[in-house]
Amino acid sequence: EIVLTQSPATLSLSPGERATLSCRASQSVRTYLAWYQQRPGQAPRLLIYDASNRATGIPARFSGSGSGTDFTLTISSLEPEDFAIYYCQQRTVWPLTFGQGTRLEIK
Amino acid sequence: EVQLVESGGGLVQPGGSLRLSCAASGFTFSAYWMHWVRQAPGKGLLWVARINHDGRSTSYGDSLKDRFTISRDNAKNTLSLQMNSLRAEDTAVYYCVRSLRPAAMDDWFDPWGQGTPVTVSS
Repeated sequence: EIVLTQSPATLSLSPGERATLSCRASQSVRTYLAWYQQRPGQAPRLLIYDASNRATGIPARFSGSGSGTDFTLTISSLEPEDFAIYYCQQRTVWPLTFGQGTRLEIK
Repeated sequence: EVQLVESGGGLVQPGGSLRLSCAASGFTFSAYWMHWVRQAPGKGLLWVARINHDGRSTSYGDSLKDRFTISRDNAKNTLSLQMNSLRAEDTAVYYCVRSLRPAAMDDWFDPWGQGTPVTVSS
């Protein structure tokens, strides 16, 4: 099983700032990595897939990068609605696994 | 508009059974692999099971295969999860999820239903 480790566990920033979230895989997942956002009380939604492709309707301030074992989700300028929990997920090896999440909170 | 609406969750005693359903609309249901993903209270996401487009192929997370059964009715655009011998650790919100692209086996999860809560407690 591939373990995905997200860091930091919690990130405290202010609106307008840049957010950088990390996801590290226990073995290579090539570019088969996605990012999801989960707002309080809501279901997760797909943000980024295949490491760097934005899903339909996702604003351009969200971007993903990386390959192999190290990946980054960047939010260029935080909007109030971006404060949420973010999960990474791999689909290279079964079972499909998620990271433990990074909570992005308002400073 | 693509919609996934789960139902069937609730309170059940340890050892009991529950059947979750997911009504799909707004897309060609029979063309997509479907999944169940769960989230225990205050915890992260855990993939539970998947089923291929015609229902002939299924897969389950570790230790779930003997207790959970995923199925689908393409004529009714419905996905189901039969859960038996439920344990306290099965307490979670269960999400019905579609694969991003049609006919894609190992694909990303999009969209997600709103989830149905399951509580296993005496």
